[in-house]
Amino acid sequence: GENVEQHPSTLSVQEGDSAVIKCTYSDSASNYFPWYKQELGKGPQLIIDIRSNVGEKKDQRIAVTLNKTAKHFSLHITETQPEDSAVYFCAASTGSARQLTFGSGTQLTVLP
Amino acid sequence: DAEITQSPRHKITETGRQVTLACHQTWNHNNMFWYRQDLGHGLRLIHYSYGVHDTNKGEVSDGYSVSRSNTEDLPLTLESAASSQTSVYFCASTEGTQGTEAFFGQGTRLTVV
Repeated sequence: GENVEQHPSTLSVQEGDSAVIKCTYSDSASNYFPWYKQELGKGPQLIIDIRSNVGEKKDQRIAVTLNKTAKHFSLHITETQPEDSAVYFCAASTGSARQLTFGSGTQLTVLP
Repeated sequence: DAEITQSPRHKITETGRQVTLACHQTWNHNNMFWYRQDLGHGLRLIHYSYGVHDTNKGEVSDGYSVSRSNTEDLPLTLESAASSQTSVYFCASTEGTQGTEAFFGQGTRLTVV
């Protein structure tokens, strides 16, 4: 089955700096790669996703890049703000499988 | 507004007892999932369902069961609770047959003593 590895497990940045979280996946058939943000005491929420026919996607301060050859994808957050502090999860799924395989999560702390 | 709700939010139970966690969604989604969240492991899939009367085992299904008698509900049962099942449990739902946004409940924190 699919295996998703996520790094780093913890990340601290100064407010206004950029943050990058990286994930690798094992199944070359995977074609959907979402990123979820989980705030304390809440369920994960989708913040951005990308499909395998696209190399990059951007939504305001958040961007995701995908390298299918290397089987890795990354989340980029620019101009970080204290409210960006949360746990971030990457995930992957194949077209035929509707379930997601998640990475182990990254605790992002934005220092004021 | 459509939503997905879990109950209870917190539960303490004793080893060996049967426990059922509820999940109810009003999105009318065919696909429903149960995950457990443990530090260092992220979210691991327990069971999932693609429609009424359909259930499938996930990565960590031992000791758990689910049933799907209608579109809205997918209860998760721990047949005989063990301390290793102390965790935070999340229910999620999606629509369609391809990768789409998963909507998560608020989670149930289960402690087995």
